Amino acid sequence: DADVTQTPRNRITKTGKRIMLECSQTKGHDRMYWYRQDPGLGLRLIYYSFDVKDINKGEISDGYSVSRQAQAKFSLSLESAIPNQTALYFCATSDLTHGTSGQETQYFGPGTRLLVL
Amino acid sequence: AQKVTQAQTEISVVEKEDVTLDCVYETRDTTYYLFWYKQPPSGELVFLIRRNSFDEQNEISGRYSWNFQKSTSSFNFTITASQVVDSAVYFCALSEENYGGSQGNLIFGKGTKLSVKP
Repeated sequence: DADVTQTPRNRITKTGKRIMLECSQTKGHDRMYWYRQDPGLGLRLIYYSFDVKDINKGEISDGYSVSRQAQAKFSLSLESAIPNQTALYFCATSDLTHGTSGQETQYFGPGTRLLVL
Repeated sequence: AQKVTQAQTEISVVEKEDVTLDCVYETRDTTYYLFWYKQPPSGELVFLIRRNSFDEQNEISGRYSWNFQKSTSSFNFTITASQVVDSAVYFCALSEENYGGSQGNLIFGKGTKLSVKP
């Protein structure tokens, strides 16, 4: 399994503040993802990256930006946080090598609980 | 369009009962992948199983079993002799075939909260 870490694990911020959530993985996986989870809605994809130079918007990218600083690091930023961005945020990595096709499984980090006041 | 439906929002059982969590999916692809994840009260997401669309063989892993039926587009999850530690939210998810690096992202159902009481 991928060793995926997220920092911080919990964060409280105020409306209008800029914050960054960080994700690191130690398994050398190419693909990384950011999801948010809201009660009763399951997980929804924010951004995904197939390698350092390949970043794509997901279902709900508005209000967010990302940076893939290295193969192992994928950061999510909220440029100006708003209360409806209060959620549980998950980073995930995938065991599918970029440029190949086939089966993949996504492995998730422990999550970051964000509260925007 | 892809869609995953978990019609059961919450289920409550008594320890040692068997329980089945339903998952119905929609996809136009002939090759796709189905997943179950567990989210215990601590919040992390734990991968349980992946099933490929071309493999309809049912799978058993200890007290867990999965019934994949293409004819009804269902991928149901059964826990036999449930235990308190099985209490969690369970998510079913679907992804379609990746072609040379193209998107094959996960579409999640809304989850089923299972409570197992002693």
